[in-house]
Amino acid sequence: DIQMTQSPSTLSASVGDRVTITCRASQSISSWLAWYQQKPGKAPKLLIYKASSLESGVPSRFSGSGSGTEFTLTISSLQPDDFATYYCQQYNSYWWTFGQGTKVEIK
Amino acid sequence: QVQLQESGPGLVKPSETLSLTCAVSGYSISSGYYWGWIRQPPGKGLEWIGSIYHSGSTYYNPSLKSRVTISVDTSKNQFSLKLSSVTAADTAVYYCAGGLVQLWLPWPPDYWGQGTLVTVSS
Repeated sequence: DIQMTQSPSTLSASVGDRVTITCRASQSISSWLAWYQQKPGKAPKLLIYKASSLESGVPSRFSGSGSGTEFTLTISSLQPDDFATYYCQQYNSYWWTFGQGTKVEIK
Repeated sequence: QVQLQESGPGLVKPSETLSLTCAVSGYSISSGYYWGWIRQPPGKGLEWIGSIYHSGSTYYNPSLKSRVTISVDTSKNQFSLKLSSVTAADTAVYYCAGGLVQLWLPWPPDYWGQGTLVTVSS
């Protein structure tokens, strides 16, 4: 199994802050990584695919980078709508795994 | 517009089989997408359960493999999940999802159901 480890688990930030979330894979997954945003009671929303490709309709303040085993999701200027939980997911094979999530809270 | 809708019992007794269905509208289920299930225990993270492909091949989370079956009913344009011998640890919101295979890999789902809470309790 490929294990995905996100850090931090919780992040307190203010509107306008630059926020970075890290995701590490237990083995190389090339660029086959997605990032999701999830709000309470809702299905996850895809933000980034193939590590750095922005999903259509997602604001440009979201960006992704990395390859191999280390990946980051960056929100360049945190907006009120961005307070949510974020998950990474590897799709390097037919067996997926998710990170444990990072909750972005209001400071 | 493609829509997915989960249905099934909201309460299942321990040791019994959890059965859920995902109805697909706006797309023929046999037209090439993969279909899968993801769950989320209350207050916890996402866990991939398994997926079924156009070829009929299925892939399951190794931690659940012995208890999971995913199948497709093309006549009803729906797919289903069966999880046997459930315990309280299987209490979760269950999501169905669908997406494309590109470059021989299942890309992140294009479509998700709204999710349905299943509680395992006597």
